[in-house]
Amino acid sequence: GEDVEQSLFLSVREGDSSVINCTYTDSSSTYLYWYKQEPGAGLQLLTYIFSNMDMKQDQRLTVLLNKKDKHLSLRIADTQTGDSAIYFCAEKGSSNTGKLIFGQGTTLQVKP
Amino acid sequence: EAGVAQSPRYKIIEKRQSVAFWCNPISGHATLYWYQQILGQGPKLLIQFQNNGVVDDSQLPKDRFSAERLKGVDSTLKIQPAKLEDSAVYLCASSLEPGRGNTIYFGEGSWLTVV
Repeated sequence: GEDVEQSLFLSVREGDSSVINCTYTDSSSTYLYWYKQEPGAGLQLLTYIFSNMDMKQDQRLTVLLNKKDKHLSLRIADTQTGDSAIYFCAEKGSSNTGKLIFGQGTTLQVKP
Repeated sequence: EAGVAQSPRYKIIEKRQSVAFWCNPISGHATLYWYQQILGQGPKLLIQFQNNGVVDDSQLPKDRFSAERLKGVDSTLKIQPAKLEDSAVYLCASSLEPGRGNTIYFGEGSWLTVV
């Protein structure tokens, strides 16, 4: 079945780059997403990538997709304390429903 | 553009009581989702509507959960009777119908504590 896995925790220093990794099992995934969740808040869409792309850059964010290994990563350049949050990877399969399957989330801690 | 609106934001109830959550999606979005997010986990889909029809409710515990979207706009999710394990954040999301858009927008969530 469909499954999405993420590492649970990442700690970096302010100004460093952060790399959050995700693996998925559904080879028919059409789109892959990164969402950010701050304490007490809902999910904020950061970026998404179509499955026929291998990279997408959006300001400080770089998404890399290795479709062969079913591996997705999110790189945040010049990480700031405001980037501290939980980051969720999600995949949308090829079904017509369009529902998202989420990983368990990676907590990013940014130390000053 | 207004986002997905949800209410109430927070609710504390005793087990076996009932609770209802309301969601108003982004204007023009035909697809509406209810997700359940238990603390420390990623969100899991409970039910998906396309206009006022149910597309997927395979993960909805139908003995205690119900949802409706009668006029194809706003939606209500009800839990009756609540159990302790229902403590979670209930996230409503909306999107254009599949094939017209690939972005799913989430509301701030309704935080439920069952004691």
